[in-house]
Amino acid sequence: GAVVSQHPSWVICKSGTSVKIECRSLDFQATTMFWYRQFPKQSLMLMATSNEGSKATYEQGVEKDKFLINHASLTLSTLTVTSAHPEDSSFYICSVPRLPDTGELFFGEGSRLTVL
Amino acid sequence: AQSVSQHNHHVILSEAASLELGCNYSYGGTVNLFWYVQYPGQHLQLLLKYFSGDPLVKGIKGFEAEFIKSKFSFNLRKPSVQWSDTAEYFCAVNLMDSNYQLIWGAGTKLIIKP
Repeated sequence: GAVVSQHPSWVICKSGTSVKIECRSLDFQATTMFWYRQFPKQSLMLMATSNEGSKATYEQGVEKDKFLINHASLTLSTLTVTSAHPEDSSFYICSVPRLPDTGELFFGEGSRLTVL
Repeated sequence: AQSVSQHNHHVILSEAASLELGCNYSYGGTVNLFWYVQYPGQHLQLLLKYFSGDPLVKGIKGFEAEFIKSKFSFNLRKPSVQWSDTAEYFCAVNLMDSNYQLIWGAGTKLIIKP
């Protein structure tokens, strides 16, 4: 069964609104979660590392004020796309490490965001 | 900068054909290597991995991959593909000596014709 659950799977919103995506670790506690963005015909791009109880670590070029990450508990991380614009339309995927620092990940189903 | 190269963006094969998907990386340090697969409408999942030991690793559904250190390669193979192997395949490399960065290839879309 699924180890990581992401919600919503699809979301369509108007430009200027904010959208929250949830990522839940179902079977175990996760002090770290990763948020990826997947562009068509391109590889996954790591946006940020979500750390339980502390600030997220953002990758270079990712606007922290634009993509707010909250990791309030050991099983939940949220990504909020603030004041969304059409260029934010993308597929957002969260993942949880199976083992720390190995690169082996469990992935959520992904969330397709379309900003009109 | 470190990178992972998957040579083919799209591959179309007939059922029972043999498959080899290329993956090369540019990094001289210690690595963990992965192939992840994304079936249509499903989430990414691990196909196989290499951490250490035998460089020929076997994964789920009859897939295998061989780590050739001298060639910085980790090619994915399957002797006889099935229609259900239609999916997107991603190679990923974890840089163990460089802050455990996980670098992804661009992915290969595999279509198997029935």
